[in-house]
Amino acid sequence: DAGVTQSPTHLIKTRGQHVTLRCSPISGHKSVSWYQQVLGQGPQFIFQYYEKEERGRGNFPDRFSARQFPNYSSELNVNALLLGDSALYLCASSSETGVTEDTQYFGPGTRLTVL
Amino acid sequence: LAKTTQPISMDSYEGQEVNITCSHNNIATNDYITWYQQFPSQGPRFIIQGYKTKVTNEVASLFIPADRKSSTLSLPRVSLSDTAVYYCLVGAYSGGYNKLIFGAGTRLAVHP
Repeated sequence: DAGVTQSPTHLIKTRGQHVTLRCSPISGHKSVSWYQQVLGQGPQFIFQYYEKEERGRGNFPDRFSARQFPNYSSELNVNALLLGDSALYLCASSSETGVTEDTQYFGPGTRLTVL
Repeated sequence: LAKTTQPISMDSYEGQEVNITCSHNNIATNDYITWYQQFPSQGPRFIIQGYKTKVTNEVASLFIPADRKSSTLSLPRVSLSDTAVYYCLVGAYSGGYNKLIFGAGTRLAVHP
């Protein structure tokens, strides 16, 4: 079975540009979460979507937005890119949300470099 | 929200058993304990999850004492390929969803 997939693998943008990152969850999973991982730190929670609705948002500016589609895939959008947005962006899927033992499985990530 | 504390780094040698202990004094009644492994520039990989006592799978064991204020990940007979960062997490469940809170993790270096 395919795991979580993300595209693109790598991306280089310049300051002020916009970027869209994509994620396909494990088949049958309805929940997608997005995390940002800056070099040398642990991943930081950005968003969680379940059944196409935003269920949670981390402490990130409004330049960050996301959505989930009817097939449960998801997009993360970042506007007006800053140098500090350079990071590994991780997508994680789980079968549901609101269940305390719910396990999230991560994709390989998208490496975003902002110049 | 429960916070975890784990050693910043550990060193071991091939073939040895490695135990990484995580402290989570404020764990909530409903919280599960989850461990992930991460290699450079890759997404975290789920290793094991437990609620209490002992859980074992094909790659690791997780020991959780009765008070659940700490947990120990045990990796039997490590190899060079086990060199990675290991994260201990206590899932933050609030508002109807789960949010994983990652700390800095433990950098395990396995030497020949």
